[in-house]
Amino acid sequence: DAGVIQSPRHEVTEMGQEVTLRCKPISGHNSLFWYRQTMMRGLELLIYFNNNVPIDDSGMPEDRFSAKMPNASFSTLKIQPSEPRDSAVYFCASSTRGQPQHFGDGTRLSIL
Amino acid sequence: QKEVEQNSGPLSVPEGAIASLNCTYSDRGSQSFFWYRQYSGKSPELIMFIYSNGDKEDGRFTAQLNKASQYVSLLIRDSQPSDSATYLCAVIPGGTSYGKLTFGQGTILTVHP
Repeated sequence: DAGVIQSPRHEVTEMGQEVTLRCKPISGHNSLFWYRQTMMRGLELLIYFNNNVPIDDSGMPEDRFSAKMPNASFSTLKIQPSEPRDSAVYFCASSTRGQPQHFGDGTRLSIL
Repeated sequence: QKEVEQNSGPLSVPEGAIASLNCTYSDRGSQSFFWYRQYSGKSPELIMFIYSNGDKEDGRFTAQLNKASQYVSLLIRDSQPSDSATYLCAVIPGGTSYGKLTFGQGTILTVHP
C-alpha cells in the first residue's frame, strides 16, 4: 500500500508569497493530521480532521495559516502571506480509528 | 509541566549495550502510548505501541508501561549504530478522540561502535 504522500518535498520561496502544501492520506484512513517540526519547538500539531471535518485547529499559529480537506483523499495547508519564521518541516499523518498514525515524508519549507 | 516529557539527551551507548529511553506523561487518563523513531532529515516512523501495563516485546525492542507511575519506557537490546536516531514518545491523552497524539521533545540516541 502507498503511504501518506506529501508534495512538494522541498519549497523555497520569498517572504510574502503564498505557500500551499499538499497531502494524500493512506486510503481508508479517516483521520488526517498536519504537524510542524522545528529544532526549537519540536513536533507541533497544527490541525486535524476526521471524516474530512476539521476537529481541532487550536495549534494553527495565526490567521495566515489555513487548512482544507475537500475529500477523503486530499488535504492542503496554506500559508498566506508567508514569513521567514514559518520555515520548518511540515508533516502530514493519517490514521484510522484505534490505529497509530503514519507520517508522510514531509515538506521542507524555507521562506527567505 | 509539559504533557509528555523526555530527557532530550543525547544518550550515548556502546554497540551491543542496552539503551533505555524514558518518558513521563501528565494526564492520568491517557490510554495509548507510542514510540516513534526519527532519523535525521526523515519522518517519524512507528516502532512500538503499548496499551496495557507491563512489557511488550518486539525483536530487540521492549516497551514498558506503568500507568500508576505515569511512565513509559523503551529498551533497545544489542544496540546497533543504525539505532542512532531521535526517539519520540507519544501519548493519546484521556478524553480525546480521533487518535490525536501529544509528543515529547524526543531523546537523541547515539550508538557508537
